[in-house]
Amino acid sequence: AQSVAQPEDQVNVAEGNPLTVKCTYSVSGNPYLFWYVQYPNRGLQFLLKYITGDNLVKGSYGFEAEFNKSQTSFHLKKPSALVSDSALYFCVQGYSTLTFGKGTMLLVSP
Amino acid sequence: DAGVIQSPRHEVTEMGQEVTLRCKPISGHDYLFWYRQTMMRGLELLIYFNNNVPIDDSGMPEDRFSAKMPNASFSTLKIQPSEPRDSAVYFCASSLQGEGYNEQFFGPGTRLTVL
Repeated sequence: AQSVAQPEDQVNVAEGNPLTVKCTYSVSGNPYLFWYVQYPNRGLQFLLKYITGDNLVKGSYGFEAEFNKSQTSFHLKKPSALVSDSALYFCVQGYSTLTFGKGTMLLVSP
Repeated sequence: DAGVIQSPRHEVTEMGQEVTLRCKPISGHDYLFWYRQTMMRGLELLIYFNNNVPIDDSGMPEDRFSAKMPNASFSTLKIQPSEPRDSAVYFCASSLQGEGYNEQFFGPGTRLTVL
């Protein structure tokens, strides 16, 4: 069964610093990978996806993710964090159905 | 488009009562998904529909849960009888698959509390 792992429950970063939220996936072959974000008391919002093509995927709100097949990773990154980026981030794998990681809480301090 | 609409946003009920959650997907989307989110188990897929037909209900916890999609613009998730362990946030999502994969759009969720 496919699965994704988010090794960090929480990531803390100061505003203006770069951020990375880690994710590794399990499926062999060519995975479909996504990042979703959940703000407090809100539904999930799509950030970006990797289906095929360039390993660096750009998404909403200045976020990007790097697909690394050799390391089976799909880390989420942003060059300069904002306090408003504080939220719960989910790494997701799948096609017609999605398998969600447990989520990583990102806290950006002023 | 107003996005995925869910009602009610909050529901508080007593154990043993019937609970019905409602969802209106984005117009034109052909897939509809029901999820449950808890602190302990994270986000779980309960069931999904394609063109109003249930495709996979393996995530439905037990017979107390049922879901229907009578038409392309409406779906319900029913719990009867409800139990305290059903307390969670229930999300509905829709997507348009077509060729290639497209993202799912989530509703704001229904926070269910069973006393």
